[in-house]
Amino acid sequence: NAGVTQTPKFQVLKTGQSMTLQCAQDMNHNSMYWYRQDPGMGLRLIYYSASEGTTDKGEVPNGYNVSRLNKREFSLRLESAAPSQTSVYFCASTTSGGYNEQFFGPGTRLTVL
Amino acid sequence: AQSVSQHNHHVILSEAASLELGCNYSYGGTVNLFWYVQYPGQHLQLLLKYFSGDPLVKGIKGFEAEFIKSKFSFNLRKPSVQWSDTAEYFCAVKATGRDDKIIFGKGTRLHILP
Repeated sequence: NAGVTQTPKFQVLKTGQSMTLQCAQDMNHNSMYWYRQDPGMGLRLIYYSASEGTTDKGEVPNGYNVSRLNKREFSLRLESAAPSQTSVYFCASTTSGGYNEQFFGPGTRLTVL
Repeated sequence: AQSVSQHNHHVILSEAASLELGCNYSYGGTVNLFWYVQYPGQHLQLLLKYFSGDPLVKGIKGFEAEFIKSKFSFNLRKPSVQWSDTAEYFCAVKATGRDDKIIFGKGTRLHILP
């Protein structure tokens, strides 16, 4: 099992460009999450999805959109990137209800110039 | 909505010292609590979790945490730290019976001197 995979690992964008971060899990988990990690700010929840077809806003959703394509995949889209979105993005998944351990992907380091 | 506060942003200890990292949460109902660790250059891994029952929870690598409901706290402890414990530690909370949202604290960066 690969666990949680994320692509790309690194990305540099110019202000105003768009991109999609991909996340997939092979653990048959229902719940998936997108976090951003910034120095001194910890992990902040951007969006989450409790099941296929549902998504909900987290703590910092502005400037982002998500798609729960199927049970395995949960993508994060930046429509018009801004320097404030420079961060490390982590995808995570867990069993239904979030009552168990979250498994994290390796992260995507995004720089917006 | 639930929230998490970690009091210590940066802790420096010598090897063999005892460790206690503070975590307080804000939520009036029942919660599930977690401690995760992130070693340099790696992604987060679960150290331990509390769902119900015995409020003293033991995790991996000699870590333990105590849930004190009256204080809304879930502090992480280790009797004797090692250089390999150098990492960032995150406390997280989930409100049970509600949505699947899991909220993290800002983290505590722990540096162990050899």
